[in-house]
Amino acid sequence: EAQVTQNPRYLITVTGKKLTVTCSQNMNHEYMSWYRQDPGLGLRQIYYSMNVEVTDKGDVPEGYKVSRKEKRNFPLILESPSPNQTSLYFCASSRGTSYNEQFFGPGTRLTVL
Amino acid sequence: RKEVEQDPGPFNVPEGATVAFNCTYSNSASQSFFWYRQDCRKEPKLLMSVYSSGNEDGRFTAQLNRASQYISLLIRDSKLSDSATYLCVGDTGNQFYFGTGTSLTVIP
Repeated sequence: EAQVTQNPRYLITVTGKKLTVTCSQNMNHEYMSWYRQDPGLGLRQIYYSMNVEVTDKGDVPEGYKVSRKEKRNFPLILESPSPNQTSLYFCASSRGTSYNEQFFGPGTRLTVL
Repeated sequence: RKEVEQDPGPFNVPEGATVAFNCTYSNSASQSFFWYRQDCRKEPKLLMSVYSSGNEDGRFTAQLNRASQYISLLIRDSKLSDSATYLCVGDTGNQFYFGTGTSLTVIP
């Protein structure tokens, strides 16, 4: 089944404790990205990757890191989480950008205390 | 100014009604546009794409007006199952930009 998987689905952590949210897709997609969704602000792009070893900042990259060592995986790293990073996170993949549908993972609900 | 803007609603309509959502975009270089549906904080799922003037799929019609820089979504004969948040999305070649979403509730 073609899908995007994210883990964990739910996470409660404390300020400053490094965490990684994994994202994997099995559709051989070139483009992957991370979004956060907050009430009233919609989905905002954190980072995106056009291809392996190519990543770039989205609109809200502060406090996040990513890596794209393999085509299928695109982990999101929070080196020192803070309460303002409490949010719903979605990973997405697509064949490209223009004219391409994005497929989303099920989301990760993160709470930073 | 946000790249993509849409009226958050909420829109509350009776079953069988026709409802229309509009979305404006600021980047005239945007090439493609999409409407996604999102149910109660679950992952967004593609409803329709619109690249040229319009696209129709059953009860749903999406239209694009490049001169005025807006896209619209028309839902005819609304069903209870259409209740969701509808997200307008545009691309700029490297990135996708989402509107904040329009909430629709279809009432029996």
